[in-house]
Amino acid sequence: DIQMTQSPSSLSASVGDRVTITCRASQGISNYLAWYQQKPGKVPKLLIYGASTLQSGVPSRFSGSGSGTDFTLTISSLQPEDVATYYCQKYNSAPWTFGQGTKVEIK
Amino acid sequence: EVQLVESGGGLVQPGGSLRLSCAASGFIFSTYWMSWVRQAPGKGPEWVANIKKDGSEIYYVDSVKGRFTISRDNAKNSLYLQMNNLRAEETAIYYCARTSYYYDRSGSIAGAFDIWGQGTMVTVSS
Repeated sequence: DIQMTQSPSSLSASVGDRVTITCRASQGISNYLAWYQQKPGKVPKLLIYGASTLQSGVPSRFSGSGSGTDFTLTISSLQPEDVATYYCQKYNSAPWTFGQGTKVEIK
Repeated sequence: EVQLVESGGGLVQPGGSLRLSCAASGFIFSTYWMSWVRQAPGKGPEWVANIKKDGSEIYYVDSVKGRFTISRDNAKNSLYLQMNNLRAEETAIYYCARTSYYYDRSGSIAGAFDIWGQGTMVTVSS
């Protein structure tokens, strides 16, 4: 099975900072990658699919890029409401595997 | 409003069974793949199973094959997960998720999970 590895596992940044999270697949998955945001105590929410397509209603400060094995989620200007754990997930084939998550905090 | 409401969770002994249900509303249920995703306390989400819109394709994570059964009733806009021989490590919140889809040469393929329910807690403990 293809493994999904995120880095870093956690980060702390200041409001307004540019934040980048990386997700690496152990084999190529084309652009069949999604990103989710899970705020503390809440349900995961789809942010991005197709590696770079923003889900409706998601703020434009979020963006995704990549193809094949290497992907990034970028928050262009970190806001207090972005405190959450972010997960990548592959969906090119079974199993629909998630990364281990990246916890984002405010410094 | 698009909504998914899970039910059926609870406390069960190791080796026991539970049947989860998910009631869908606000969208045409019969046109979507559907999935179950679980999240153990303090852990990340884990995909469990999904089912094509007409039930013709079903997939499971290896750890539940032979013990869990996903099914759906499009007439009732409902998704189900029958869980048998439950293990302590399967204690988790179980989410029902509407699943987007895309097309390739083989037809409709399950994609990202675009709508999630609030989840139902399953505790496996003696």
